Amino acid sequence: AQKVTQAQTEISVVEKEDVTLDCVYETRDTTYYLFWYKQPPSGELVFLIRRNSFDEQNEISGRYSWNFQKSTSSFNFTITASQVVDSAVYFCALRRYNFNKFYFGSGTKLNVKP
Amino acid sequence: EAGVTQSPTHLIKTRGQQVTLRCSPISGHTSVYWYQQALGLGLQFLLWYDEGEERNRGNFPPRFSGRQFPNYSSELNVNALELEDSALYLCASSYRQGRYNEQFFGPGTRLTVL
Repeated sequence: AQKVTQAQTEISVVEKEDVTLDCVYETRDTTYYLFWYKQPPSGELVFLIRRNSFDEQNEISGRYSWNFQKSTSSFNFTITASQVVDSAVYFCALRRYNFNKFYFGSGTKLNVKP
Repeated sequence: EAGVTQSPTHLIKTRGQQVTLRCSPISGHTSVYWYQQALGLGLQFLLWYDEGEERNRGNFPPRFSGRQFPNYSSELNVNALELEDSALYLCASSYRQGRYNEQFFGPGTRLTVL
């Protein structure tokens, strides 16, 4: 069975602080994909990143970085120097290879205060 | 390129009524997914359609149903509405089975059942 756990329900930080959102997944598949989405107050989910299970190289995109570790089944997301506009709910998701259904975590609500 | 569109944006119904929500996928996408997001909760997978067929269904009662049309647009029908059906209904689309199939989401339909 596939499962994604985001243990942090809500996080509050002050602007310019760094923050890490945790994501732990469960799957018996050897090939799979992991995703992060952002859901701002408007409601529409915005795709942020996709990683393949066979590529553990970490990725940095501006203030965003992702740390994928198969050994611990984790795919954590770090925002450096957070900004108020980063306030949103962030979802981590897992997709099996060649099966389009997504398994979403319960989401982490990030509050960035000025 | 137009994104995923959903209609209507908001809807107010009363218990026992029926509702139809509509979704148009991104051009070229053949898969459509429906999710329910009740207030303060995560995404609950409802249905997945691809090439006009239902591929997978979440743990929802039969009064939740849908279909996909030849142009890949989709409808979600909910019969005998209950108060707990009040939620944001999100539609997403992706390419058919393949490697990099991130889902792209529409803005959602907010349903209120009184």
